[in-house]
Amino acid sequence: DAKTTQPNSMESNEEEPVHLPCNHSTISGTDYIHWYRQLPSQGPEYVIHGLTSNVNNRMASLAIAEDRKSSTLILHRATLRDAAVYYCILRLSPYNNNDMRFGAGTRLTVKP
Amino acid sequence: NAGVTQTPKFRVLKTGQSMTLLCAQDMNHEYMYWYRQDPGMGLRLIHYSVGEGTTAKGEVPDGYNVSRLKKQNFLLGLESAAPSQTSVYFCASSYSNPDSPFSGNTIYFGEGSWLTVV
Repeated sequence: DAKTTQPNSMESNEEEPVHLPCNHSTISGTDYIHWYRQLPSQGPEYVIHGLTSNVNNRMASLAIAEDRKSSTLILHRATLRDAAVYYCILRLSPYNNNDMRFGAGTRLTVKP
Repeated sequence: NAGVTQTPKFRVLKTGQSMTLLCAQDMNHEYMYWYRQDPGMGLRLIHYSVGEGTTAKGEVPDGYNVSRLKKQNFLLGLESAAPSQTSVYFCASSYSNPDSPFSGNTIYFGEGSWLTVV
């Protein structure tokens, strides 16, 4: 099963960029890379996903390594509201329930 | 647009009592899921459904049952609650991507149901 490795925690200053890393060395060719985040006392919410090319949306950017064994979620200007747990997950296909697992993620603290 | 709605939001049960958590989604999604999240932990899949009338076991199904009688609803039942089932429960739903069903889909989560078993 494809798995991901993320740092337990990271800190950032408000209004500075944040780079959240994720390693997925056993990724297969058809695995999409998904990022979700969970604000305190809320359910996770979708942030971004991609397959091979870098992706941008209004929330963040996703940079995917050329060999796809790692990726980085980029928050261009962190705000206090971005303090959350960020999850990096592969596949997210319900046809294999192991693929629906959200690990411990990275807890991002944003300092004013 | 309500999205995914869970009821109740908070509940305290005594050991051995039974209860049902209700999840409703108004996005016409095929897939629905129940997760639990213990303090400081990630989310673990309990049961899921890929369509009306179908259910399947997830990572931690013991002690729980589910039903999907209507497409928009997914019920999670605890027949005999135990203190180990004290947790936050999240329901979620997603659509089936017709172009690539195995690529993974955006999952929409409810706000959670806090359950304490004493």
